[in-house]
Amino acid sequence: DAKTTQPPSMDCAEGRAANLPCNHSTISGNEYVYWYRQIHSQGPQYIIHGLKNNETNEMASLIITEDRKSSTLILPHATLRDTAVYYCIVRVGQGGSEKLVFGKGTKLTVNP
Amino acid sequence: DAGITQSPRHKVTETGTPVTLRCHQTENHRYMYWYRQDPGHGLRLIHYSYGVKDTDKGEVSDGYSVSRSKTEDFLLTLESATSSQTSVYFCAISVSGVTYEQYFGPGTRLTVT
Repeated sequence: DAKTTQPPSMDCAEGRAANLPCNHSTISGNEYVYWYRQIHSQGPQYIIHGLKNNETNEMASLIITEDRKSSTLILPHATLRDTAVYYCIVRVGQGGSEKLVFGKGTKLTVNP
Repeated sequence: DAGITQSPRHKVTETGTPVTLRCHQTENHRYMYWYRQDPGHGLRLIHYSYGVKDTDKGEVSDGYSVSRSKTEDFLLTLESATSSQTSVYFCAISVSGVTYEQYFGPGTRLTVT
């Protein structure tokens, strides 16, 4: 079972920031939070990951609360091409043998 | 793009026939994975490999076998395909290191009639 909870859907206006929440209240101290997205019928795409500090890369920012029980993925200027299902995943296991347990994710629709 | 290709990209086969799907990578990553994706279930891990000839089962491994005789190729075999194995199959590799983020191939759409 997925260890995360996400809203099933969200809408965002093009050009605005998209803030996607994720609850992972049972996360352990050494478990990373990963975000992936899947654009219709394509393979999932890695976005970002974090442990306890906020992270930023060219795609997005990841804000993790101090207690690590929740996080938010931020797409700073959403475009129509960001319409996708976004998955928040807590890594289960270690060293490559871990299993990425994909839940149902959040379907983000970016509107013109 | 992690240099992952899958073949075939689409296949229609009949119940009871054997089917082999191929995943090929060009960057010598140690870890490779096979997932299936079905409506209402998200992605589920079938099998994974942590090196040549080293494989292990995932959460939905029944009816599937895998082989990895070379670093670059990970094969998924359905010994006797059933209609319940109609799905989209994704291969992934894991970039070794501290966090092992995974990169996915384009997928194979398999229909078992």
